Amino acid sequence: AQKITQTQPGMFVQEKEAVTLDCTYDTSDQSYGLFWYKQPSSGEMIFLIYQGSYDEQNATEGRYSLNFQKARKSANLVISASQLGDSAMYFCAMAGGGADGLTFGKGTHLIIQP
Amino acid sequence: KAGVTQTPRYLIKTRGQQVTLSCSPISGHRSVSWYQQTPGQGLQFLFEYFSETQRNKGNFPGRFSGRQFSNSRSEMNVSTLELGDSALYLCASSPAVLSYEQYFGPGTRLTVT
Repeated sequence: AQKITQTQPGMFVQEKEAVTLDCTYDTSDQSYGLFWYKQPSSGEMIFLIYQGSYDEQNATEGRYSLNFQKARKSANLVISASQLGDSAMYFCAMAGGGADGLTFGKGTHLIIQP
Repeated sequence: KAGVTQTPRYLIKTRGQQVTLSCSPISGHRSVSWYQQTPGQGLQFLFEYFSETQRNKGNFPGRFSGRQFSNSRSEMNVSTLELGDSALYLCASSPAVLSYEQYFGPGTRLTVT
């Protein structure tokens, strides 16, 4: 069965520092996709970044990058130069790999401090 | 391009009642998926509809059902509500089945008393 593990329930980071949010996944399939979503207190899930299992280069979207280490089944999100508006829940998710729909991790509550 | 819309945004129901939630996907998207988010269980996949047909279903009881209309709008119904059904229900739209593009709506927060 597919599984996403996020080991950091909460993180406090100083503004302007870089942040790494951890995500490991478990699947026996070769074809899958990995996502990161941001969920502010309003509830809406905001898509941040996507990495396909066959993509050789790490995905980047503005201040977000995904550190994809396939052999270690790791897909960490890196936020450069954090901002106060980055405070939110962050979810790692996986699509494909034999599962129906997206499989989500439990999330990391990120708080950016001034 | 307008995003995914969900109505209503907030809902309070009594145990035993039924409820219908609505989701309008992004224009041109034909797949709609539903997720339940609770503090205890996190985010769980409910079902996915494409071209008015249910394509995938998560591990939820039969009280949870849905449908999709010809304009791709989708409704989710929960019958005989239980206190444990209190949750944020999120809808996601994508251009195709099992697409890696999933765009979420703001959610409907259901409270069952």
